[in-house]
Amino acid sequence: DIVMTQTPLYSPVTLGQPASISCRSSQSLVHSDGNTYLSWLHQRPGQPPRLLIYQISTRFSGVPDRFSGSGAGTDFTLKISRVEAEDVGVYYCTQTTEFPYAFGQGTKLDIK
Amino acid sequence: EIQLVESGGDLVQPGGSLRLSCAASGFTFSTSWMSWLRQAPGKGLEWVANIRHDGSRSYYLDSVKGRFAVSRDNAKNSLYLQMNSLRVEDTAVYYCAKGGPGAYWGQGTLVTVSS
Repeated sequence: DIVMTQTPLYSPVTLGQPASISCRSSQSLVHSDGNTYLSWLHQRPGQPPRLLIYQISTRFSGVPDRFSGSGAGTDFTLKISRVEAEDVGVYYCTQTTEFPYAFGQGTKLDIK
Repeated sequence: EIQLVESGGDLVQPGGSLRLSCAASGFTFSTSWMSWLRQAPGKGLEWVANIRHDGSRSYYLDSVKGRFAVSRDNAKNSLYLQMNSLRVEDTAVYYCAKGGPGAYWGQGTLVTVSS
């Protein structure tokens, strides 16, 4: 089974400053169809997760362009160029390349 | 507008059973793979099961294999999760999602397994 490891698990950030979250998979996430099914989700307390990025770097509809994703193979990064108050919560990476699907442990982003 | 509404969550004793439902609307349910995911209190997200659009094949997390069964009724635009032999560690909010853990999730239904 693929294991997803996120770092850091906690990220205190100053408003307006950048933030970065790393996600590493235990094996390549490249599917046999050539795509890499790595997504990033954001969850606020008491709410279901919201999709931010899919297939490494494609922003979902309505997601601000301050969010960007990058990476390849087994190493991936989510970057927020300038953190806003509404960005607090927990961020998860997830792989849907093969079953069982797996999530990272989650990174809690907080405002300093 | 795509909507997913889960129901059926309850308090159940260890060893008991429960059936969750998910009512889907706003998209062509019969051509969509569907998922169940869960989140234990204060914990992270966990994928539980997937089912093909036609119900011909399903996939499960190892820890629920043989205890949980996912099914669907495309005529009713509904997804189900039959949960048997429930354990304390199955306590979680259960979400249904369109496709994998992606863009469309329900609000979740709470399953509590406790004596």
